[in-house]
Amino acid sequence: DADVTQTPRNRITKTGKRIMLECSQTKGHDRMYWYRQDPGLGLRLIYYSFDVKDINKGEISDGYSVSRQAQAKFSLSLESAIPNQTALYFCATSDLSEGEGGETQYFGPGTRLLVL
Amino acid sequence: GQNIDQPTEMTATEGAIVQINCTYQTSGFNGLFWYQQHAGEAPTFLSYNVLDGLEEKGRFSSFLSRSKGYSYLLLKELQMKDSASYLCAVRDSNYQLIWGAGTKLIIKP
Repeated sequence: DADVTQTPRNRITKTGKRIMLECSQTKGHDRMYWYRQDPGLGLRLIYYSFDVKDINKGEISDGYSVSRQAQAKFSLSLESAIPNQTALYFCATSDLSEGEGGETQYFGPGTRLLVL
Repeated sequence: GQNIDQPTEMTATEGAIVQINCTYQTSGFNGLFWYQQHAGEAPTFLSYNVLDGLEEKGRFSSFLSRSKGYSYLLLKELQMKDSASYLCAVRDSNYQLIWGAGTKLIIKP
């Protein structure tokens, strides 16, 4: 089983709709992240959480919100979707004590979102 | 502003060696990562450098020069499965990862 899972894997929605992307992990990591990836651009951080009671805005948080329901679950919501939120969304996890060095981030398989 | 530069695309031949460069300008430096990303898939960790010099791991090596704001990823004995995008990321003074747009590597037989 995958350590970091995302649902749904693909989603088509209409402008103005509310949508939630979910992320679950079995790695036992405290830190979780949401990124979006657009063609020709690097991964951009939307929100991150270092533990259940901690939520922080990233580089591009406008139009998004998150919820950390438990250590293992981190959800991303688009309150009112717009076409320029069409992108590939990745969830990632990390832990200070794990990784070959420097706190490696481990990524979920991604959610491909299309906003019409 | 913060900036990570990588070539957009490179082509190499199966069995050959390729070097993918990354230059960075960030507010602080707390390590540099290389990730591999096959089309439509998640990025996966390849290497991490925090001190100057070369880190070797099998067919892949990564080099860092902090004074020059420069790193490269060296791939030897290229295989068709190495066709992917290679992402350079720097951890800045706020311990956030700043990502390059990635280098798409095309391997030809």
